[in-house]
Amino acid sequence: SQTIHQWPATLVQPVGSPLSLECTVEGTSNPNLYWYRQAAGRGLQLLFYSVGIGQISSEVPQNLSASRPQDRQFILSSKKLLLSDSGFYLCAWSVLLGVDTQYFGPGTRLTVL
Amino acid sequence: DQQVKQNSPSLSVQEGRISILNCDYTNSMFDYFLWYKKYPAEGPTFLISISSIKDKNEDGRFTVFLNKSAKHLSLHIVPSQPGDSAVYFCAASATSGTYKYIFGTGTRLKVLA
Repeated sequence: SQTIHQWPATLVQPVGSPLSLECTVEGTSNPNLYWYRQAAGRGLQLLFYSVGIGQISSEVPQNLSASRPQDRQFILSSKKLLLSDSGFYLCAWSVLLGVDTQYFGPGTRLTVL
Repeated sequence: DQQVKQNSPSLSVQEGRISILNCDYTNSMFDYFLWYKKYPAEGPTFLISISSIKDKNEDGRFTVFLNKSAKHLSLHIVPSQPGDSAVYFCAASATSGTYKYIFGTGTRLKVLA
């Protein structure tokens, strides 16, 4: 069966510090991978998606970036965090791009102080 | 531009009764819809989906209804159980070449024992 992991589970970082969140998927090959953010009182906002190694599409211009160094690994990064980057970050995967169920990881709660 | 709206931020229902969660959308191109359930500090889990070729889909205690003319869908949970207490998100996508789901802001359901 497929599983998706995210770490860390929680993170408190000062403004201006770097960020690296990692997501890995097991039990499937060539998944489509997604990064979402849920800010307080908001829905899930798609940040990035990837259809393959090294292929990243950005949805929202911001100071975040994503990378996919391996087939089942997706990394969300920032060089300098802003207060507005606080939120709950979710990684998800799907078999098909578009109309397909997306399966979410457990999420990372990021607080920027 | 909130294309998918869940206008009720919260809902309380007695155990054993029906829970009805509503979702409205504005984009007439949306033709595939999902419902997710989310517990605190966890990633969303997939509940049920519906394609626009149907107006109803049922899975156990969960039924989703789609009214295309009204651009409205609803999730019915019968009978409601305390374990159903969670935040419920609806999501919509357009199958004609798009890749992403637009999520609503969620409705917090509390089932009272």
